[in-house]
Amino acid sequence: GAGVSQTPSNKVTEKGKYVELRCDPISGHTALYWYRQSLGQGPEFLIYFQGTGAADDSGLPNDRFFAVRPEGSVSTLKIQRTERGDSAVYLCASSLKLAGGGVNEQFFGPGTRLTVL
Amino acid sequence: SQKIEQNSEALNIQEGKTATLTCNYTNYSPAYLQWYRQDPGRGPVFLLLIRENEKEKRKERLKVTFDTTLKQSLFHITASQPADSATYLCALDSGYSTLTFGKGTMLLVSP
Repeated sequence: GAGVSQTPSNKVTEKGKYVELRCDPISGHTALYWYRQSLGQGPEFLIYFQGTGAADDSGLPNDRFFAVRPEGSVSTLKIQRTERGDSAVYLCASSLKLAGGGVNEQFFGPGTRLTVL
Repeated sequence: SQKIEQNSEALNIQEGKTATLTCNYTNYSPAYLQWYRQDPGRGPVFLLLIRENEKEKRKERLKVTFDTTLKQSLFHITASQPADSATYLCALDSGYSTLTFGKGTMLLVSP
């Protein structure tokens, strides 16, 4: 069984450009999460999807960040007008967690390393 | 605000010894506490989960304790091996939304 995959593995862009990061979760996992991890820090929550809808987007730092999951499987994190401070590893995770609560063991992808020059 | 603290300095131990990592938290009442392992350039990998009403959980050479009064979890690796060298992350889980991670503690096991 395939795990969580993320593409691209590395993305270098210039300040002000638009980027899209893709996440393919484990088949059948209804919950999907995006995190951002800077060097020496733990993963920082960005957004959580339950199915197609964003159940919690409180971690998105500002309106330049947006994520979608139109069919309840693949998700795309979109960053507009990138800034140097957006440079980090963006991690995606999926789990079998249900909307009503419960155990939330998460399976992480390898991440996308974003560098904004 | 919620705060999670893990040993910020790397823990260096000799092969065969027991490694003990600490996770302290404030302003939080987690339903569960989870531990993950992260190797350089990779995503975190789930190791163990302990519920708020459990005192201790074991899995092979791993043992986790959870004290909701002290607001602390201890993570032990017995008979440590060089292959156990990695960063270990503590994560708090309310049971309703996502996980809140600590910064992690780097463990180095020397032969």
